[in-house]
Amino acid sequence: GNSVTQMEGPVTLSEEAFLTINCTYTATGYPSLFWYVQYPGEGLQLLLKATKADDKGSNKGFEATYRKETTSFHLEKGSVQVSDSAVYFCALTGQGGKLIFGQGTELSVKP
Amino acid sequence: GAVVSQHPSWVICKSGTSVKIECRSLDFQATTMFWYRQFPKQSLMLMATSNEGSKATYEQGVEKDKFLINHASLTLSTLTVTSAHPEDSSFYICSARSKVFDEKLFFGSGTQLSVL
Repeated sequence: GNSVTQMEGPVTLSEEAFLTINCTYTATGYPSLFWYVQYPGEGLQLLLKATKADDKGSNKGFEATYRKETTSFHLEKGSVQVSDSAVYFCALTGQGGKLIFGQGTELSVKP
Repeated sequence: GAVVSQHPSWVICKSGTSVKIECRSLDFQATTMFWYRQFPKQSLMLMATSNEGSKATYEQGVEKDKFLINHASLTLSTLTVTSAHPEDSSFYICSARSKVFDEKLFFGSGTQLSVL
């Protein structure tokens, strides 16, 4: 079945550092791919998505490109801020349109 | 944007008691609500899908008699963990979907359940 694997956290970076959070997937067919973010004390929010191969999702300075050849959807940001500290979840659509999540990666950005 | 309110945010209970978690869509009608569970360092796992006015559809391996889901209105779904045991301790998250918002999912902030 479909599955998602994310790099383990926590990831600790200094402000303005470059961020990469790896996400790879296993899927039949052509799922849509998502990154969700959960800030402390809040619900998950959709950060960005891509619906087909080579699509690039972007939002708030974050980007991720749907790479079918490497089955990856890595999240990147050129310069992180303290306010980006959160847990990031990679996800894809499974059978029946249900979302399948990775285990989440905690990001901590220090000033 | 749409808001989903989930409470309580955390609850501690004794083994054998039942716990109810509420999930409300505050400014929209949710045609479908989902309940997830997350154990530490693991993925969010879908437990069940509920549509207003009909019985919930449970994922394989989820005991429907233990995790009672009620979706009595378009703005409220409840998850009751019956006769909770320590192994039920987990983080439970609800999400709601509405056709008005192009089928996007909106999540509650989650409930941390600890069963002693």
